[in-house]
Amino acid sequence: QQQVKQSPQSLIVQKGGISIINCAYENTAFDYFPWYQQFPGKGPALLIAIRPDVSEKKEGRFTISFNKSAKQFSLHIMDSQPGDSATYFCAASIEEGSGGSNYKLTFGKGTLLTVNP
Amino acid sequence: GAVVSQHPSRVICKSGTSVKIECRSLDFQATTMFWYRQFPKQSLMLMATSNEGSKATYEQGVEKDKFLINHASLTLSTLTVTSAHPEDSSFYICSAPGAGGPQYFGPGTRLTVL
Repeated sequence: QQQVKQSPQSLIVQKGGISIINCAYENTAFDYFPWYQQFPGKGPALLIAIRPDVSEKKEGRFTISFNKSAKQFSLHIMDSQPGDSATYFCAASIEEGSGGSNYKLTFGKGTLLTVNP
Repeated sequence: GAVVSQHPSRVICKSGTSVKIECRSLDFQATTMFWYRQFPKQSLMLMATSNEGSKATYEQGVEKDKFLINHASLTLSTLTVTSAHPEDSSFYICSAPGAGGPQYFGPGTRLTVL
């Protein structure tokens, strides 16, 4: 049972374009939604995260849009650059009232982004 | 952000030997750490939750006697792959929750079992 569904599996974008990756979740108890960027042979790095009390969060070229009623959230990368080429993972966890042991993340399957120069 | 380190970054061993991987939170304390395994071009699969001062909690299907976890202090967790076999070859990654909830990941350990 996959609790976080991510699409597309791969994405090719031209330099300067917008990259959009979508995720949908099933567990309404999830209350923390991070996005991670992973380069080959490296650990995932936290990119940006959102909580369900807001519908959008922007940090530089990266924006998360969150739709609580649809149980969906997406990552938008504006002005995509070749250096953004990596695998992106969405994730979800339950934090409220859970304590540290329930910070465990449920990951999507990942999106391989390629930004052509 | 917070820093999590892993050691070694890569290890090659013979089948049947045991391998220990260390995960350290460098600038914060972590009563909980997580261990993941990642196969090529796949997502991260949670193996177990490491708890300081108590036993680790393993995910379904993960052999606790094969993957020994010890959370020795508030900044160190170790994963020992016992009697490693080629099918255990993978990328092992640890993480720890920082202040406010975000999880920080280590750089990973590439294990190759010959």
